[in-house]
Amino acid sequence: DTGVSQDPRHKITKRGQNVTFRCDPISEHNRLYWYRQTLGQGPEFLTYFQNEAQLEKSRLLSDRFSAERPKGSFSTLEIQRTEQGDSAMYLCASSLGGTDQETQYFGPGTRLLVL
Amino acid sequence: LAKTTQPISMDSYEGQEVNITCSHNNIATNDYITWYQQFPSQGPRFIIQGYKTKVTNEVASLFIPADRKSSTLSLPRVSLSDTAVYYCLVGIGRRALTFGSGTRLQVQP
Repeated sequence: DTGVSQDPRHKITKRGQNVTFRCDPISEHNRLYWYRQTLGQGPEFLTYFQNEAQLEKSRLLSDRFSAERPKGSFSTLEIQRTEQGDSAMYLCASSLGGTDQETQYFGPGTRLLVL
Repeated sequence: LAKTTQPISMDSYEGQEVNITCSHNNIATNDYITWYQQFPSQGPRFIIQGYKTKVTNEVASLFIPADRKSSTLSLPRVSLSDTAVYYCLVGIGRRALTFGSGTRLQVQP
């Protein structure tokens, strides 16, 4: 399968713990996006990479959140000192940039539950 | 970013054609229209994308009038497995996607 993959698919943690999620994009895609989705809502943008450069961050991305894409391939999203409000589905998407018709392809998501 | 408006929910029966219309009055000249499908606990799945007139693939058709202020996703002969949330998005590459609440399609037997 050459689609976007995410790991883990599910994570349960206690409030105050740190968690890290991984996203592996489609191999030739140079752009990678992170979104967060809460129950009953559409996904909300968190941050975006072009190759290894983090080009945009949402105001939703508090200082407890950090994302990296060190070699322009896979990416990690870390949440420090988790809060119950962080419980959500975290989605990764990738795209091949360069045209207006660019399409983002999503992974299966990581569902986080903070107890 | 262009804001989109679509019905909150729709009901249909197996075998029927379903048309979901999305309004995007302030669409920009370079914006494309993209539709995604999402099942519970899964990531959104790309369905179809278009700029103007009509686009058809093996899954759906997308109709876009000349003024591009709306678009209609057409799903032919739906089945129970088409029960999902459908999102209409407007934008171009290099932009974060802005999802609304989507349209919840319920297909009945």
